[in-house]
Amino acid sequence: AAGVIQSPRHLIKEKRETATLKCYPIPRHDTVYWYQQGPGQDPQFLISFYEKMQSDKGSIPDRFSAQQFSDYHSELNMSSLELGDSALYFCASSRSGGAPRVGELFFGEGSRLTVL
Amino acid sequence: GIQVEQSPPDLILQEGANSTLRCNFSDSVNNLQWFHQNPWGQLINLFYIPSGTKQNGRLSATTVATERYSLLYISSSQTTDSGVYFCAVGVNTGTASKLTFGTGTRLQVTL
Repeated sequence: AAGVIQSPRHLIKEKRETATLKCYPIPRHDTVYWYQQGPGQDPQFLISFYEKMQSDKGSIPDRFSAQQFSDYHSELNMSSLELGDSALYFCASSRSGGAPRVGELFFGEGSRLTVL
Repeated sequence: GIQVEQSPPDLILQEGANSTLRCNFSDSVNNLQWFHQNPWGQLINLFYIPSGTKQNGRLSATTVATERYSLLYISSSQTTDSGVYFCAVGVNTGTASKLTFGTGTRLQVTL
């Protein structure tokens, strides 16, 4: 079965650079979520989209932005990178069944960002 | 926001032993999932279990929603069971809200 696809899997950037992560949800899933997991931490919710509209927002820095496109893939843009942005970034998708709700989430394998 | 507590925080088992992991949450939930994060960082879905009991091989889970807790049972543990087990809960708020994760139980299974 198709899973959530994230790219790139690994990314190394310098401080103050910009990074873009991509996520392709499971087909027919209408909701996408982004999570950030620092070393030894639990995943922290950043932002979610339902049917291409932002639906919930967590502790996402102002330097980060995200959007969901017409084909349902999503991108997380991170600018002015800081050392503390080094983390594993997960995308997840779910199928809400016609109304925004917290359906069963399926996670991608994550994108590991290292900021030097 | 909703609070999610997991216990124990760390667990060391010998191969073949059984264990029970607990997840307590502070409010009524519409979604509860258990995940296994393997040493490579992958988050593997174990159970979607907002209520009731489910079993999948050596693993089973029970959620008692009215008492706000869930249990994950691992029987006949294997070294491949090592990793971090997360409980995550979600509440429908009218928007496509999020899962809130607990702090996890770190399991090490030794030979």
